[in-house]
Order: sequence, then structure tokens, then C-alpha cells
Amino acid sequence: EDQVTQSPEALRLQEGESSSLNCSYTVSGLRGLFWYRQDPGKGPEFLFTLYSAGEEKEKERLKATLTKKESFLHITAPKPEDSATYLCAVHYSGQGAQKLVFGQGTRLTINP
Amino acid sequence: SQTIHQWPATLVQPVGSPLSLECTVEGTSNPNLYWYRQAAGRGLQLLFYSVGIGQISSEVPQNLSASRPQDRQFILSSKKLLLSDSGFYLCAWRKSGSSYNEQFFGPGTRLTVL
Repeated sequence: EDQVTQSPEALRLQEGESSSLNCSYTVSGLRGLFWYRQDPGKGPEFLFTLYSAGEEKEKERLKATLTKKESFLHITAPKPEDSATYLCAVHYSGQGAQKLVFGQGTRLTINP
Repeated sequence: SQTIHQWPATLVQPVGSPLSLECTVEGTSNPNLYWYRQAAGRGLQLLFYSVGIGQISSEVPQNLSASRPQDRQFILSSKKLLLSDSGFYLCAWRKSGSSYNEQFFGPGTRLTVL
């Protein structure tokens, strides 16, 4: 059973069209939820860490929020350079060496 | 600041040949180190992790092995590659002894086994 599920798998938006990406998790004892951005052929780039429900983090046009069962990555007025795959990952109690469990990612395309 | 390097960037190898991928981290000491594989269109699969020199934990039984001969060096190896070993290999590090669990990734190695 998947512990981390991201939706949608792919999302195509027009420049300036705001939307949200979802990351739902079924693990218990969440110790942290992480968002990464990955450009084609590159390693993931760290964006945010969220530790508790109600927490929010912002960076430029991106805002990440966390509830007890899911996280959202809100993208406001996106630009073509925001096109990438966005990955979320969780660390939960019982996972030694701070191992992360990743979702499958959402491939975001912003058309000019 | 910390930097993580991986080489080679791309590799094309025949089935049955050996493999050695290298990862090094600069600017930190005693990091936790991780090897992941990412198949096309899929998420990251953790292969190995290490909390110190000579300490390797395997997550998935497979044709690969890992070693950590130095504090900031992590090597992924195989004696005989399979077609199914093709993929994008990523090395990551995490600051040990920290309450923060973020992992930071290298640029990756694209491996094609023919």
C-alpha cells in the first residue's frame, strides 16, 4: 500500500493560472513532510519542510501547507520557469537514519 | 557551504559489465549518505544508506552493492549489470545529529544498460 500519494500525476496550466498540487500520506507519527522540485535530468532541489498540521511555508510563488493527512503546494500566478516535477516525501517515527518515503511526483507544465 | 558531486554524469554499459558510481560531499563531516534509483516517470527508490564509514544498510535485495570507504565518499557498485539496472541514480546527504531531516541531492548519474 502506497504511503505517499501525489495528485494529479500531471498538470498543465496557462501562465498566471493558479492551482494546487496534493500530497496525501497514510503514515502515523509524521516527523516531517518535504517538498522538492526536480527539473528534467537533474537531481531534486529542496523546497520546504513542514513539521506539524497548520504549518505553512512560502517561497516566491509557492506556498506549502500541511494537515494531518495531506499537504498542498499552492502555485500562485505561475510562470513557465515553474515547470518541473514536484516531489513530496515524508519521514515518520520508526524510520531509522531519517529515511524518506517519496511520492511519485506531479509533473507541472506552465504554458506561456 | 555544502556541495555534493556525482560522477560520471552519464554512462552506457553492456549487460554483464561492472559498475562503479561515485558520490562525494564537501563542506560537512559525518553526513548520512543515501543512494536512490529513479526509473522513468517514477518516484525515488531508496537503495542504500550509510550513517558512517563502513556502515551500509541495504533497502532492496538486488544486483547492486554500496561502500563508504571515507567519511564523505559513497560508492555504488555492481559486478555484473542487468538490463533492469538502467535508471537515474541519485546520491543524497543529510546532516547527522541534526533535528532537521532534509536530504540534499546530487546532480545524478544516468545509467543505460544495453
